[in-house]
Amino acid sequence: SAVISQKPSRDICQRGTSLTIQCQVDSQVTMMFWYRQQPGQSLTLIATANQGSEATYESGFVIDKFPISRPNLTFSTLTVSNMSPEDSSIYLCSVEGNLPSAEQYFGPGTRLTVT
Amino acid sequence: TQLLEQSPQFLSIQEGENLTVYCNSSSVFSSLQWYRQEPGEGPVLLVTVVTGGEVKKLKRLTFQFGDARKDSSLHITAAQPGDTGLYLCAGGGGYQKVTFGTGTKLQVIP
Repeated sequence: SAVISQKPSRDICQRGTSLTIQCQVDSQVTMMFWYRQQPGQSLTLIATANQGSEATYESGFVIDKFPISRPNLTFSTLTVSNMSPEDSSIYLCSVEGNLPSAEQYFGPGTRLTVT
Repeated sequence: TQLLEQSPQFLSIQEGENLTVYCNSSSVFSSLQWYRQEPGEGPVLLVTVVTGGEVKKLKRLTFQFGDARKDSSLHITAAQPGDTGLYLCAGGGGYQKVTFGTGTKLQVIP
């Protein structure tokens, strides 16, 4: 298993501004994932971040809106740019367990409210 | 696109009752996971099933993977308030893209 921390845990931001969310893992991992979740609902994958290469974005998410950094094997950031109220959500980072199983370990999430 | 439909979406039961949550898909998955998420926290892995027909028990929780590896169920015996949370199934992973289920919100009333 892995221990994952996220900062900030929550924030209230004004529309048009940007917020950077940090994700720190206690061990080196190849892939990190960023998800979005409306409270009480399922998870939607935003992008997969590999160290040393550009993140791979899912349909409906673009790099200009959600730039991701992956400077080393234990850290990643997700920026939510030019925010609007529709970006209000919970943002979660995760890492994958040992292959071939598909277990994922999640951070506690960042609850973002855009006013 | 692989879809994982969970049923029911919401469940509110009294402490001590039994319940079953279903996770269904038309796709075959190499493995399937169940997670529980409490408010303000990320999902926490409960179990992984990998073999068709597999049954795993975790105290009062029983997980089953369908023979064709397209569906799964979670059965809770004698539910307790501590079981309250959002239950998510997820299929795939490893070399297969992970798909999360639609979620089942469980409330156990003392």
